[in-house]
Amino acid sequence: DIQMTQSPSSLSASVGDRVTITCRASQGIRNDLGWYQQKQEKAPKRLIYAASTLQSGVPSRFSGSGSGTEFTLTISSLQPEDFATYYCLQYDSYPFTFGGGTKVDIK
Amino acid sequence: EVQLVESGGGLVQPGGSLRLSCAVSGFIFSDHYMDWVRQAPGKGLEWIGRSKNKAHNYITEYAASVKGRFTISRDVSKNSLDLQMNSLKVEDTAIYFCARVVTDWGQGTLVTVSS
Repeated sequence: DIQMTQSPSSLSASVGDRVTITCRASQGIRNDLGWYQQKQEKAPKRLIYAASTLQSGVPSRFSGSGSGTEFTLTISSLQPEDFATYYCLQYDSYPFTFGGGTKVDIK
Repeated sequence: EVQLVESGGGLVQPGGSLRLSCAVSGFIFSDHYMDWVRQAPGKGLEWIGRSKNKAHNYITEYAASVKGRFTISRDVSKNSLDLQMNSLKVEDTAIYFCARVVTDWGQGTLVTVSS
């Protein structure tokens, strides 16, 4: 199985900060990666797919990059509604695997 | 509008069985891959299985943690995705989400396995 190592596991930031979250895959997954936002164990929301394609309706302050084994999610200017937990998901091969999550809270 | 509504969660004893359903609307059910994802209390997301679309004969894939115990099926006449869970363990306690191609998600249903 492909392991997804996500870092950091948590971070504290202020409104307006630039935030970067990283996922590393245990083997190459091309660009078959998505990023999700989840608030309080509600339904996750997909932000990014194919590593860098913004989901329709998602604010442009969210961006994704990377391919192969290293991926990043960047929030260019953190907004109050962005405080949440973020997960990466590889869908290159079965079984799909999520990263462990990054909780973003208020500094 | 795409809608997915899970049902069937509840309390079950270890070793027992439970069947979850996900009622879908707003899209052509047979055209899309469908997934089940779970989240144990206070933990992260875990993908547990997929039903491929009609063009791929509704072939299923599973995570190792549930393979042989859980079965995903579709009732196309009812636009329903089902998850039959057998030989349940305490560690299967979680919120279970269904999703269309891990893109559109239901709100989840809670399964508690406890004696």
